[in-house]
Amino acid sequence: DAGVIQSPRHEVTEMGQEVTLRCKLISGHNSLFWYRQTMMRGLELLIYFNNNVPIDDSGMPEDRFSAKMPNASFSTLKIQPSEPRDSAVYFCASSLGGSGTDTQYFGPGTRLTVL
Amino acid sequence: GENVEQHPSTLSVQEGDSAVIKCTYSDSASNYFPWYKQELGKRPQLIIDIRSNVGEKKDQRIAVTLNKTAKHFSLHITETQPEDSAVYFCAASFRNNNDMRFGAGTRLTVKP
Repeated sequence: DAGVIQSPRHEVTEMGQEVTLRCKLISGHNSLFWYRQTMMRGLELLIYFNNNVPIDDSGMPEDRFSAKMPNASFSTLKIQPSEPRDSAVYFCASSLGGSGTDTQYFGPGTRLTVL
Repeated sequence: GENVEQHPSTLSVQEGDSAVIKCTYSDSASNYFPWYKQELGKRPQLIIDIRSNVGEKKDQRIAVTLNKTAKHFSLHITETQPEDSAVYFCAASFRNNNDMRFGAGTRLTVKP
């Protein structure tokens, strides 16, 4: 099992540019979670999907952030336009079911730097 | 709102000593409590979890205890080793167990 796959692993971009982060779930998992981690704010849940449907996006900081799940195994998180304060490590995680009682498995993360 | 409080934020112990990290939660319906370890530059990884039908669970040098009445749970690491140094996160299910919320993390340093 390859685990959760994220790409790119590192992204450096300039303010105002569009950034797209990608995540592939563990095969057979039905739920996907996007997190942002910074020193100041810790691990924040941005949005999560269950069976391709967004369940809770209350953690998405602004309209500049959007997430999609075009199929059962893949998701994108887009930031447009990006700002320096978006610099963080972005993790996605997947779980077998859609409840909070299922273990979440994290991907390796994407370290985003916005200059 | 629903949250998970974690203490201490930093913890330094001597190799061989025990380390204890405590978390409290607010949702009395929560029934799943995982613990994650995150080494520097790595992803959070599950190290142990406990469900509300038991009060304690042990896996070699790590153990977790749960007190549902008081709504708190703790991670215990015995015979600590330098490789235990990492940030540890607790988490709890909430909102009728449809979601999960993480604590702010504890940075554990084990000094050789």
